[in-house]
Amino acid sequence: GENVEQHPSTLSVQEGDSAVIKCTYSDSASNYFPWYKQELGKGPQLIIDIRSNVGEKKDQRIAVTLNKTAKHFSLHITETQPEDSAVYFCAAPHAGGTSYGKLTFGQGTILTVHP
Amino acid sequence: DAGVIQSPRHEVTEMGQEVTLRCKPISGHNSLFWYRQTMMRGLELLIYFNNNVPIDDSGMPEDRFSAKMPNASFSTLKIQPSEPRDSAVYFCASSFSGPSETQYFGPGTRLLVL
Repeated sequence: GENVEQHPSTLSVQEGDSAVIKCTYSDSASNYFPWYKQELGKGPQLIIDIRSNVGEKKDQRIAVTLNKTAKHFSLHITETQPEDSAVYFCAAPHAGGTSYGKLTFGQGTILTVHP
Repeated sequence: DAGVIQSPRHEVTEMGQEVTLRCKPISGHNSLFWYRQTMMRGLELLIYFNNNVPIDDSGMPEDRFSAKMPNASFSTLKIQPSEPRDSAVYFCASSFSGPSETQYFGPGTRLLVL
């Protein structure tokens, strides 16, 4: 099955700095890599995703990069703001068998942006 | 535009009692997922349905857990009998088509079993 490792578990930055969160996955056939943001008391919300036919995707201050050879992908947040403070999760799907497509989530990163 | 709706938002019950969690997916979505979130185990998929049919229930912890989706707009997750280790936040999510499409999560049900 898919194994997803996420680092760091906590990340503290000053407002305006960049933040980078990294994930590795085990199933080389995985082809979809979403990132979710979870605010306190709420459900996770998709903020960006990438599919294996591209190496990088950007949406304003958020970008995701994918290295299929090394089986890792990263979330980059530039010009961080206090409202970026939340828990961030990466995920990767099982690529075969009866669990095809099922997402396995990373352990989460608590991001704190200090004003 | 209503998102995924879950009820109740909070549930406190005593060990041995039956608990039923409810979910209404986004209209037009044909995939529905039940997740459990705890500090120790993170976010785990329990079961997912496609077109009201259970596709993968390998994450259901044991026979005390059961899930149904009688129609496209309603699903339940039942725990009977409940145990303290079932205490967690349970999320329902839906997507337009399958798990590798954007999943929209509900606000969750926070369950405490005493």
